[in-house]
Amino acid sequence: GQNIDQPTEMTATEGAIVQINCTYQTSGFNGLFWYQQHAGEAPTFLSYNVLDGLEEKGRFSSFLSRSKGYSYLLLKELQMKDSASYLCAVRAGSYQLTFGKGTKLSVIP
Amino acid sequence: DTGVSQDPRHKITKRGQNVTFRCDPISEHNRLYWYRQTLGQGPEFLTYFQNEAQLEKSRLLSDRFSAERPKGSFSTLEIQRTEQGDSAMYLCASSYPSGANVLTFGAGSRLTVL
Repeated sequence: GQNIDQPTEMTATEGAIVQINCTYQTSGFNGLFWYQQHAGEAPTFLSYNVLDGLEEKGRFSSFLSRSKGYSYLLLKELQMKDSASYLCAVRAGSYQLTFGKGTKLSVIP
Repeated sequence: DTGVSQDPRHKITKRGQNVTFRCDPISEHNRLYWYRQTLGQGPEFLTYFQNEAQLEKSRLLSDRFSAERPKGSFSTLEIQRTEQGDSAMYLCASSYPSGANVLTFGAGSRLTVL
């Protein structure tokens, strides 16, 4: 089976930087994904890592260490609209994703 | 490209009734997935199709649940004899078999069983 852990909630200040961590245990690792989900809406794709290292995409970056079973999502220059749940998901073996429970991020003024 | 469409968006039903949800994926996507999400949890995988073939089913998918994708385009998820524990958001996603095979989700169908 697979086990994915991420913090339940985080709070950060507008304009700041926040790092959301995700640890996972799986066999047959084939990629790690981050999704953003606003309340009542569909998850939307943010980033994908399959090799170790940092992937940068505008204000969002994602890091992966396969040997440590660890990833983080870094959000810079936080905006109020970044208040959402951030879902870490792992692909292992087949095409479907296994999701963590999500981290609810609250951005405060 | 109109994205992934799901219908209905909301369904309220009484325990014991049958419900059916429909998903229309992005047209060029041949893979289609059903997930279930409850409040405060991440999406849980239910089943996956490649074209019309149902290739994988979760243990969460009891015999009251059935999914079809008859022509490899839209899909339906039927829940028979609904129970209060079936109350959840049912999410459909589709993907194209190249690169990262990113799943694109629909807005979901919210089921409330009274």
